[in-house]
Amino acid sequence: ETGVTQTPRHLVMGMTNKKSLKCEQHLGHNAMYWYKQSAKKPLELMFVYSLEERVENNSVPSRFSPECPNSSHLFLHLHTLQPEDSALYLCASSQEVGGTYEQYFGPGTRLTVT
Amino acid sequence: RKEVEQDPGPFNVPEGATVAFNCTYSNSASQSFFWYRQDCRKEPKLLMSVYSSGNEDGRFTAQLNRASQYISLLIRDSKLSDSATYLCVVNGNNDMRFGAGTRLTVKP
Repeated sequence: ETGVTQTPRHLVMGMTNKKSLKCEQHLGHNAMYWYKQSAKKPLELMFVYSLEERVENNSVPSRFSPECPNSSHLFLHLHTLQPEDSALYLCASSQEVGGTYEQYFGPGTRLTVT
Repeated sequence: RKEVEQDPGPFNVPEGATVAFNCTYSNSASQSFFWYRQDCRKEPKLLMSVYSSGNEDGRFTAQLNRASQYISLLIRDSKLSDSATYLCVVNGNNDMRFGAGTRLTVKP
């Protein structure tokens, strides 16, 4: 399925590096999300965008910086990460913001911070 | 109290068994409820929405009890392909809150 794509699929970075995760949705949706999934923990919502405007930021550290240039693309810029930031980062989209709409997830980027 | 709480399992059942998962949520103002399925090293995918009156989709039945703030998922006649982690999802305002998931393994 290619509804929501994410690149890269795997990323290893040092604590001083700067990298970016990319997400693209081909579904014509207006809402996009970043989630963090750590082992044996619930998905943690990080950011919510509606029509390129950030509508929610769940107390995410500033070393994570989202960018949404248009309703089809979402980036997560990473800098000076910590080892505990190693996790699976999932992007999702839905028709609109709001919990009645199904969220479609990308395959995720598995991030390892060394 | 966690916002969405599930028994982590694992549940190990033989093919053909019936298995039930429960999920409790803390926000009484929640309006929408879902079950997602996540296969190993894959992304979550919607299994079914949960309606107030309860709903069924083939071998899967979902129920909601607002008074007790819990949701259930019943799987009948389990198949090997049902092996996955089942995520309970509850809607907040602009976002969804996920449980940590219940892992199911169906064995031959």
